[in-house]
Amino acid sequence: GAGVSQTPSNKVTEKGKYVELRCDPISGHTALYWYRQSLGQGPEFLIYFQGTGAADDSGLPNDRFFAVRPEGSVSTLKIQRTERGDSAVYLCASSASGAYNNEQFFGPGTRLTVL
Amino acid sequence: DQQVKQNSPSLSVQEGRISILNCDYTNSMFDYFLWYKKYPAEGPTFLISISSIKDKNEDGRFTVFLNKSAKHLSLHIVPSQPGDSAVYFCAASASGSARQLTFGSGTQLTVLP
Repeated sequence: GAGVSQTPSNKVTEKGKYVELRCDPISGHTALYWYRQSLGQGPEFLIYFQGTGAADDSGLPNDRFFAVRPEGSVSTLKIQRTERGDSAVYLCASSASGAYNNEQFFGPGTRLTVL
Repeated sequence: DQQVKQNSPSLSVQEGRISILNCDYTNSMFDYFLWYKKYPAEGPTFLISISSIKDKNEDGRFTVFLNKSAKHLSLHIVPSQPGDSAVYFCAASASGSARQLTFGSGTQLTVLP
């Protein structure tokens, strides 16, 4: 079956602009995670959804970052007033239920470059 | 402060030999540990995991060892194959949390033919 997909694969924007990054999780997965991976680092947790609600958004770096999952499936990560430091690969993952032994399946990521 | 550390950014081994990748953690609340493998331009792929109630888990050529007293885990790959060349991330999670993963910075494994 289809895995986690993310669009766009690459996004180049200018400082100060608004961007939206989309994630399509594996069908039926209730848990969805967003991570950010900077160069030379491992992925860092941003936000976790269980169904439609954000169960934990403690990883969002500031209020310029926001994510939604209105119907409990597709999620959009929104970044306002982008800064050069936001440049990174944004990874989305989903799992069947969010239980501790549920494998998180990752998408290929969106590479965001802020000029 | 990094809660999961992979102190070796790279490792090279000969095909057929054993690869040992190491990982240390500081948060005693972590009770589930995972290894992910990542190829360029792809997302991380789950490899193997271990619960804190165990000290070893084996799956084919891959074995993960956990030493809770030392807060240390390792991944053994034997025999190593050229297709194993990738970046390996150690990750940890804590029960009662959102089960988000805390990752190390990764180790680039190169298996030489």
